[in-house]
Amino acid sequence: EVQLVESGGDLVQPGGSLRLSCAASGLDFNRFAMNWVRQAPGKGLEWVAYISSTSGTIHYADSVKGRFTVSRDNAKNSVYLQTISLKDEDTALYYCATGITGWQFPHWGQGTLVVVSS
Amino acid sequence: DIQMTQSPSSLSTSVGDRVTITCRASQGISSSLAWYQQKPGQAPKLLIYAASRLERGVPSRFSGSGSGADYTLTISNLQPEDFGTYYCQQYYNAPPITFGPGTKVDIK
Repeated sequence: EVQLVESGGDLVQPGGSLRLSCAASGLDFNRFAMNWVRQAPGKGLEWVAYISSTSGTIHYADSVKGRFTVSRDNAKNSVYLQTISLKDEDTALYYCATGITGWQFPHWGQGTLVVVSS
Repeated sequence: DIQMTQSPSSLSTSVGDRVTITCRASQGISSSLAWYQQKPGQAPKLLIYAASRLERGVPSRFSGSGSGADYTLTISNLQPEDFGTYYCQQYYNAPPITFGPGTKVDIK
């Protein structure tokens, strides 16, 4: 069974930074591209970032470009999201999500909550 | 970026009913569309991909159709466990991918 477990969410002041992690198990991690998707409280889903299986291709949503950095460590079956210059509007539950075909996601974690507030 | 709209935004329906949710893209997306169900406190669950292909393990009462810019999710014989919010997602020429705003389904 595929399991994705996010961690690292916290309460942070505007302008602050956080590093989110997602640990994967039950899949051949080296073959899967990984994504971060977020959901603000009571709102819909917003794709945030993509990293290919080899880290050779990386994409970001315009809303986070220049502030967020996605990376992965295939030896640790983990993907990360480094966030800096956090804004109030970055407050959300951050999910990691994946699927073998790349852009549809049958596998999701339970999310980690980031709250940006003074 | 491709924008997605959904209708209705919410609906209240009865067990056994047939429910139809519509998703419209701002341009044609060549069936590059997925549907998800999300229940409170849970991650989204993939139901349909490629507009009409049922994800493994999803009950056959869920079906998807459409082409071009217009797509439909149909739930036939609605069951009590089908409450939740349904999102469409386009992945045509991704990235980026975009989600619809969601349709909340309540069971009467």
